[in-house]
Amino acid sequence: NAGVTQTPKFQVLKTGQSMTLQCAQDMNHEYMSWYRQDPGMGLRLIHYSVGAGITDQGEVPNGYNVSRSTTEDFPLRLLSAAPSQTSVYFCASRKAGTDNQPQHFGDGTRLSIL
Amino acid sequence: GNSVTQMEGPVTLSEEAFLTINCTYTATGYPSLFWYVQYPGEGLQLLLKATKADDKGSNKGFEATYRKETTSFHLEKGSVQVSDSAVYFCALSDMNSGAGSYQLTFGKGTKLSVIP
Repeated sequence: NAGVTQTPKFQVLKTGQSMTLQCAQDMNHEYMSWYRQDPGMGLRLIHYSVGAGITDQGEVPNGYNVSRSTTEDFPLRLLSAAPSQTSVYFCASRKAGTDNQPQHFGDGTRLSIL
Repeated sequence: GNSVTQMEGPVTLSEEAFLTINCTYTATGYPSLFWYVQYPGEGLQLLLKATKADDKGSNKGFEATYRKETTSFHLEKGSVQVSDSAVYFCALSDMNSGAGSYQLTFGKGTKLSVIP
């Protein structure tokens, strides 16, 4: 069972560079989300999607773009990397329906911006 | 809006000690409650959940009871092991609180270290 797969696992960028963090799930989940995890801050929601073609902003969306062209994939794009975006990024998916469905997380992408 | 407050760590315990990690929540509706665990270098994994008042979630010796009257969901384990060393997150999901409400609201996490 692959679950939620994130690539790459590690990345170092220079300020101003752009890149895409990949996320794919094979559980046919409708809901997908991106979080960032910073020390002492817990997990903060960046963007989320309720289905293919539908995305919306979370708590900290600035500097990030997303798209959802398929149910399986939900890439996160950094348009112009800044040191403040150094973080661990987690993608999650969840089955639609009731709120007792748990989220399934990928193993994370550890991103450093120099 | 929704919020989750959990005790700040880090928490250091000796093996076989009793563990309690406090979690309280604020929600506009009747949320489902979760505990997630994150082992070093890994993503979050669901540990247990409870979906209505007085439900008790349990897994791997951990338990938490959904207390609506005190808006709490404290995590307990009777005898911790070194392998329980991890970061624990309390979270809620309340689909009745507006747009995006199916997303989880997380506490800031509590780091547990268990020493032999």
